[in-house]
Amino acid sequence: NAGVTQTPKFQVLKTGQSMTLQCAQDMNHNSMYWYRQDPGMGLRLIYYSASEGTTDKGEVPNGYNVSRLNKREFSLRLESAAPSQTSVYFCASSEAMGPGNIFGSGTRLTVV
Amino acid sequence: QKEVEQDPGPLSVPEGAIVSLNCTYSNSAFQYFMWYRQYSRKGPELLMYTYSSGNKEDGRFTAQVDKSSKYISLFIRDSQPSDSATYLCAMSGGTNAGKSTFGDGTTLTVKP
Repeated sequence: NAGVTQTPKFQVLKTGQSMTLQCAQDMNHNSMYWYRQDPGMGLRLIYYSASEGTTDKGEVPNGYNVSRLNKREFSLRLESAAPSQTSVYFCASSEAMGPGNIFGSGTRLTVV
Repeated sequence: QKEVEQDPGPLSVPEGAIVSLNCTYSNSAFQYFMWYRQYSRKGPELLMYTYSSGNKEDGRFTAQVDKSSKYISLFIRDSQPSDSATYLCAMSGGTNAGKSTFGDGTTLTVKP
């Protein structure tokens, strides 16, 4: 079982460029999440999808968009990257709104 | 003020010591209390979660929740060098228990 798979693992963007972070899970989980982790600030929720076809904003949604493509896949898009979006991005999933997330290995994004 | 405050550390202990990691919170709606372990440059790994108040034990790990004091703890007995990692507390509640609020993490080093 792969669990939660994120691509790419590393990315460097120039300010103003766009990109999409991909996430897929193979655990048949209904709920999926995107978090960012900055040094000394823990994990903060960007967006989440409680079930296929629904998405909602988390704590820090500005500058991001998401798409729940199907039950397995949940992508995060940066339309116009800014240096403040330099961070490690984690995708996670859980059973239907159940507690505890299963995390992917992360995408390290640097915006210069 | 953050909803979840975690003792910042870092914490350094000798092998075999008992480790105590702690978090406080302010949101009375939290019902699920999680502990994650995160190794360097990896995604968080769910160690255990507790519903409401009480204790839960899993091997060398014991989680305690005191809702009256809004205080949670993770105890690690007979600590090992392999326990060296950052430990994150997280909490959730309401209709989506998977939507978590995280502490900033405590970095633990267990010295042989």
